[in-house]
Amino acid sequence: RKEVEQDPGPFNVPEGATVAFNCTYSNSASQSFFWYRQDCRKEPKLLMSVYSSGNEDGRFTAQLNRASQYISLLIRDSKLSDSATYLCAVIPGFQKLVFGTGTRLLVSP
Amino acid sequence: DTGVSQDPRHKITKRGQNVTFRCDPISEHNRLYWYRQTLGQGPEFLTYFQNEAQLEKSRLLSDRFSAERPKGSFSTLEIQRTEQGDSAMYLCASSFRQGNEKLFFGSGTQLSVL
Repeated sequence: RKEVEQDPGPFNVPEGATVAFNCTYSNSASQSFFWYRQDCRKEPKLLMSVYSSGNEDGRFTAQLNRASQYISLLIRDSKLSDSATYLCAVIPGFQKLVFGTGTRLLVSP
Repeated sequence: DTGVSQDPRHKITKRGQNVTFRCDPISEHNRLYWYRQTLGQGPEFLTYFQNEAQLEKSRLLSDRFSAERPKGSFSTLEIQRTEQGDSAMYLCASSFRQGNEKLFFGSGTQLSVL
């Protein structure tokens, strides 16, 4: 089983839609969780950390479910500019960040 | 620009040649990471440093790969006897250890081995 798993998509949604991605992780001792955004042929950029209590940043909401070992990202009121690949990343008890394969989002007019 | 800097942005080489990439992290960051990414995949961990010490190296990394961070500032990644399978984007990232690590990535070096 991979340490971090994501549905690669693509998720095709119209502008204004709400879309959610999940990411599962295998190491129950994982302590730190993140969502990164990556545009085509660019470097990953930190979107938000994911805290146990859940956190929100504008249209983006991240949740952590330790019992089921997954994190989620919810995007409300999707914009064309949200089209990108969203990478889930976890520190699985060690010192390095492990990434999922990414979920591709396409927002259409 | 105070972000992570990588050089070169692109490298085309012939199979069997050696290549070296450089990474300059954010100045106050003491951790430096190298990742590799191929199309359709997430970044794959290669190795990381805390200051000048190399603390972990991926088991998947062959002996043809070596990385250094001699003074705890910039780092180099060398690939000897390149193979076509080495073609990928090589990403460098840095962080300042605060218990909840946030990595900041450079623009990467795109390697093409012909």
